[in-house]
Amino acid sequence: EPEVTQTPSHQVTQMGQEVILRCVPISNHLYFYWYRQILGQKVEFLVSFYNNEISEKSEIFDDQFSVERPDGSNFTLKIRSTKLEDSAMYFCASSDLGQLTTKSDNEQFFGPGTRLTVL
Amino acid sequence: RKEVEQDPGPFNVPEGATVAFNCTYSNSASQSFFWYRQDCRKEPKLLMSVYSSGNEDGRFTAQLNRASQYISLLIRDSKLSDSATYLCVVEQAGTALIFGKGTTLSVSS
Repeated sequence: EPEVTQTPSHQVTQMGQEVILRCVPISNHLYFYWYRQILGQKVEFLVSFYNNEISEKSEIFDDQFSVERPDGSNFTLKIRSTKLEDSAMYFCASSDLGQLTTKSDNEQFFGPGTRLTVL
Repeated sequence: RKEVEQDPGPFNVPEGATVAFNCTYSNSASQSFFWYRQDCRKEPKLLMSVYSSGNEDGRFTAQLNRASQYISLLIRDSKLSDSATYLCVVEQAGTALIFGKGTTLSVSS
């Protein structure tokens, strides 16, 4: 069964450093997402990406964050200058939004996550 | 204002029990509704979509009441493997999924 993969599984960084989190979405999916989950809290939407541009972003996704699809398979989230409060699990997700199937739901498939720890 | 609200639990039930989870959402423009399951320190996984007509998948039944902005999940004949956190999820206009904080279920033998 196809799945979303993420690397690394755990990233430890110093405050102020840049980090890049990597994701390989399911190969025939067209929509890509990043979510985060601070320990003990709910999953929060960060950004969605379609056709090589951001289609939607939340208030959390400020100028410190950027996303990129550098090639045909990877989807990355960059945090320019990490803060302590960026420590969280970051989940990548992808969907076909019904483009490739008969389903109309936006069923999103999540990767296993990258645990980011900012010291 | 909380967008998706759930009773956090925990719900502690014996094997074989029937348990129901409820959820309310605040945005009447919400378009799609889901229940996801999340095991400890793992990613959310889709359990089932929720339709206005109600839908069933084996031991799981989901209901949606758009007028009341209310979603429910019923689990019959609980198994030990059902122990997890159940996330009520709503898609508003656009593609973002809005998650509730989750309801924790613990099934014991």
